[in-house]
Amino acid sequence: EAQVTQNPRYLITVTGKKLTVTCSQNMNHEYMSWYRQDPGLGLRQIYYSMNVEVTDKGDVPEGYKVSRKEKRNFPLILESPSPNQTSLYFCASSSRQGGNYGYTFGSGTRLTVV
Amino acid sequence: EDQVTQSPEALRLQEGESSSLNCSYTVSGLRGLFWYRQDPGKGPEFLFTLYSAGEEKEKERLKATLTKKESFLHITAPKPEDSATYLCAAWGEAGKSTFGDGTTLTVKP
Repeated sequence: EAQVTQNPRYLITVTGKKLTVTCSQNMNHEYMSWYRQDPGLGLRQIYYSMNVEVTDKGDVPEGYKVSRKEKRNFPLILESPSPNQTSLYFCASSSRQGGNYGYTFGSGTRLTVV
Repeated sequence: EDQVTQSPEALRLQEGESSSLNCSYTVSGLRGLFWYRQDPGKGPEFLFTLYSAGEEKEKERLKATLTKKESFLHITAPKPEDSATYLCAAWGEAGKSTFGDGTTLTVKP
């Protein structure tokens, strides 16, 4: 089944403790992206990647890191999480081939930083 | 700065009562306008991509249209299972997408 898999689904952590949220897609998509979703603020792009070893900042990159060493994986790293990073996070991917650029989203990771 | 504004914020309809959702955008170098459906606790699900003004796409009770400044999602004779949040997103300069805040649709039987 074509899908984007995020782990974990739920995470509660403490301020300052480094964490990684993994994202993997099995569709051979070139493009991958991370979003956070907050009530009243909608979906905001954190980072995106057009291909392996190519990443770029979205609208809200502060406090996050990403890497794209393999085509299928795009982990999101929070080096020193803070309470304002409590949010619902989504990973998404799409193919740049053909006429359909719609994203396939993962199921989300609900992160709470205390 | 790219902006996408959706209205109304919330919409309550009776089953069978047709209506439209609006998505206004200000995006430099628009490459595509997307519509998604999001159910509570789940990731958005892709519905449509529109590329140029005048384009229309349909799927079951939904039809999306695009002008140079806005897009509409028309819902014909909705059913309770159409209840969800509908998001639009504008794909602008290389790789950058901007989402609207969504319209939460509730369809009462």
